[in-house]
Amino acid sequence: DGGITQSPKYLFRKEGQNVTLSCEQNLNHDAMYWYRQDPGQGLRLIYYSQIVNDFQKGDIAEGYSVSREKKESFPLTVTSAQKNPTAFYLCASIGGRFFGPGTRLTVL
Amino acid sequence: GENVEQHPSTLSVQEGDSAVIKCTYSDSASNYFPWYKQELGKRPQLIIDIRSNVGEKKDQRIAVTLNKTAKHFSLHITETQPEDSAVYFCAASYAGGTSYGKLTFGQGTILTVHP
Repeated sequence: DGGITQSPKYLFRKEGQNVTLSCEQNLNHDAMYWYRQDPGQGLRLIYYSQIVNDFQKGDIAEGYSVSREKKESFPLTVTSAQKNPTAFYLCASIGGRFFGPGTRLTVL
Repeated sequence: GENVEQHPSTLSVQEGDSAVIKCTYSDSASNYFPWYKQELGKRPQLIIDIRSNVGEKKDQRIAVTLNKTAKHFSLHITETQPEDSAVYFCAASYAGGTSYGKLTFGQGTILTVHP
């Protein structure tokens, strides 16, 4: 079964805590993207990576970090510097033609 | 950077009617325009897309039109059904060959189809 998987489905974070969201793909796609979606709003780009070991900031990168050590994996870390992280996080490949199922992050 | 505006924010139609959602973009370099359907709590799903070398594309009850001069594109859904009810997003990016750049999304349209 090919596609993009994200875990966990739901994540709860305490104040001051860093958390990492997983994104894995078996589509052999070079480009991967992280988007954030707030209730009733569109998707905003956090980070993207066109190739292994390289990534660029999107429109709302502050408080987030990523790595791209393997083609299949593009994890996103939400740091304590992100003051309002409660949102739905979506990983995608090839510019958004394929999306993962998403992780819903809530700050307690 | 690119800016995409989408209208209307909500759209209510009767089953069987047509629905039209419009988007405008600002960056003349954008040449790839996908449309997504997102059901509550689910991921966005690509339903149709168009490149700037064509003016219209159809897929059964769904069509997209593009006016590159005016920098706007529209989604048309004919013979709407209750299962078409969802949030629809437009987006724009630059695509070259088989590579697709980062997408800029519109704010979304909540479509409700009443039986």
